[in-house]
Amino acid sequence: ILNVEQSPQSLHVQEGDSTNFTCSFPSSNFYALHWYRWETAKSPEALFVMTLNGDEKKKGRISATLNTKEGYSYLYIKGSQPEDSATYLCAFNSGGYNKLIFGAGTRLAVHP
Amino acid sequence: DGGITQSPKYLFRKEGQNVTLSCEQNLNHDAMYWYRQDPGQGLRLIYYSQIVNDFQKGDIAEGYSVSREKKESFPLTVTSAQKNPTAFYLCASSTRATNEQFFGPGTRLTVL
Repeated sequence: ILNVEQSPQSLHVQEGDSTNFTCSFPSSNFYALHWYRWETAKSPEALFVMTLNGDEKKKGRISATLNTKEGYSYLYIKGSQPEDSATYLCAFNSGGYNKLIFGAGTRLAVHP
Repeated sequence: DGGITQSPKYLFRKEGQNVTLSCEQNLNHDAMYWYRQDPGQGLRLIYYSQIVNDFQKGDIAEGYSVSREKKESFPLTVTSAQKNPTAFYLCASSTRATNEQFFGPGTRLTVL
């Protein structure tokens, strides 16, 4: 059974703090790793799709790294803002059209 | 506007009744998916369809049924055989190129 783990489960930070969280996934049969942001009362929104070992992607203050050999990805948020408060999901894809296996998410709350 | 719509947003059902959740997309995506979310858990795949008139069971298909008669539409029926149907249901669709999934706003089903 493929398992995707995210840690921590939840995180509370102050505005301006930088933070990061982890997604662990199977290191075999890797095709892609997806990160989504899910704000309350909205649909999950795609942040990054990462496919190559060593990939680093950035969107504004959010960036992500990928290590497919050891099976983990980090998501970093620099200078957190209250609008960054959301649940961050990662999802593992073992090949093409194969279904995504989602982690349970990390719930981030940024306090003013 | 291109996107995915789900209706209704909230749904209440009496125990023993079947109910159908709607999902429509105008993104011209081939693949569509249904997920269920329960508190503290990741999104779990119920059914998915890669092409019209074809669909496959996901991890938790028991008590659910789907159809894919049109590319744009992938309705999910929650049958009376589903033992614990109260949950939040998300529909998604994806392209062939990256399998990046685009999500609808979700339907919250409550069984009374």
